[in-house]
Amino acid sequence: QSALTQPASVSGSPGQSITISCTGTSRDVGNYNLVSWYQQYPGKAPKLLIYDDLKRPSGVSNRFSASKSGNTASLTISGLQADDEADYFCCSYAGSRTFWVFGGGTRLTVL
Amino acid sequence: QVQLQESGPGLLKPSETLSLTCTVSDGSISKYYWNWIRQPAGKGLEWIGRIFAFGSTNYNPSLKSRVTMSLDTSKNQVSLKLTSVTAADTAVYYCARIDDAFDMWGQGTMVTVSS
Repeated sequence: QSALTQPASVSGSPGQSITISCTGTSRDVGNYNLVSWYQQYPGKAPKLLIYDDLKRPSGVSNRFSASKSGNTASLTISGLQADDEADYFCCSYAGSRTFWVFGGGTRLTVL
Repeated sequence: QVQLQESGPGLLKPSETLSLTCTVSDGSISKYYWNWIRQPAGKGLEWIGRIFAFGSTNYNPSLKSRVTMSLDTSKNQVSLKLTSVTAADTAVYYCARIDDAFDMWGQGTMVTVSS
């Protein structure tokens, strides 16, 4: 059982927007501005999409955005495209004993 | 751009020790924290631990008693040892650099524990 809770699956049609939630606790998501999001294609390594709650690395499309409220972080993908179909994971720093915790991942299906 | 490459045995028997190496393509090994992360098939990611230059380490509390990480700057390599493996340790093992987040990942190496 993962430390952070994500929906197992979400879906959307091309051009639409979807949001994936990531719920933690006041010991991780709610206590640090250190949530990151990753995209993973089958058989491939994860790719960083978002860091420090809402920052995008250079080279990541601005169709990916993120926010956070309390113990829940969210990733929004706008203008859905076929190649957005992948697994998405959230991650949060959880203090100097546990360090890093991940969500169980969300499978995005583009209809 | 830096590349990370994991290597090591893909099949282990229960109670054996898992030993993996991550080779970093450039000379940046002394500048960052290097992490091991694993992913059982069809499941989420689990952080195993991290190591910094000079050998400073931190481990996941759930694995701490079985994990040792080391770093060889002369070879640009980070190593992971996990003792007394069981079927529950079957997973793809990734090494990853952390800067603001896990920004560089190796391709991963599959490790299966089976008798």
